[in-house]
Amino acid sequence: SAVISQKPSRDICQRGTSLTIQCQVDSQVTMMFWYRQQPGQSLTLIATANQGSEATYESGFVIDKFPISRPNLTFSTLTVSNMSPEDSSIYLCSVVGDFHYNEQFFGPGTRLTVL
Amino acid sequence: AQSVSQHNHHVILSEAASLELGCNYSYGGTVNLFWYVQYPGQHLQLLLKYFSGDPLVKGIKGFEAEFIKSKFSFNLRKPSVQWSDTAEYFCAVNANQAGTALIFGKGTTLSVSS
Repeated sequence: SAVISQKPSRDICQRGTSLTIQCQVDSQVTMMFWYRQQPGQSLTLIATANQGSEATYESGFVIDKFPISRPNLTFSTLTVSNMSPEDSSIYLCSVVGDFHYNEQFFGPGTRLTVL
Repeated sequence: AQSVSQHNHHVILSEAASLELGCNYSYGGTVNLFWYVQYPGQHLQLLLKYFSGDPLVKGIKGFEAEFIKSKFSFNLRKPSVQWSDTAEYFCAVNANQAGTALIFGKGTTLSVSS
């Protein structure tokens, strides 16, 4: 299994500002995913982040709003830009381990509230 | 389009009652199936998974699930629930190829009264 940490664990932000969420994994992993869980909802995939290439975004999510970096095999960041109250969600980082490539492990999430 | 459907939004049971949560999926090709649990205030944890082989899989905490390919279903069961099983349960699916992301159902909230 993989141990994933996220920073910050929670934040309260003003509309129009940006927040960068960090995801750190205790081992090298090929693929990372970023999900959003809106209040009372299920998880929705935002994008797939592969090291050395640009992130691949799902329908409804764009790079200008959710820029992602993946500088190495253990780290990724997701920025939520120009925030509005509708961005209030839990943002989760997930990884696929190289040896259990069909199983995903999830970080604890970042709870974002936008005022 | 790929999708996962969980039939029950909120299930309320008394302790020792039996549990079955429905999950159906729509996904072309061979799939892997998962059930995740999210206890109040905690992050997602894997309950059980199906990749191949025996369609009846056993997970942690006495949970099991049965993959019925003809029905595109992967229902979660537990013969006797406990108060500590109160949580949100998510069914998820991905393609049986390396590194494909999970598609989640909307989740089922289970409330168990003691």
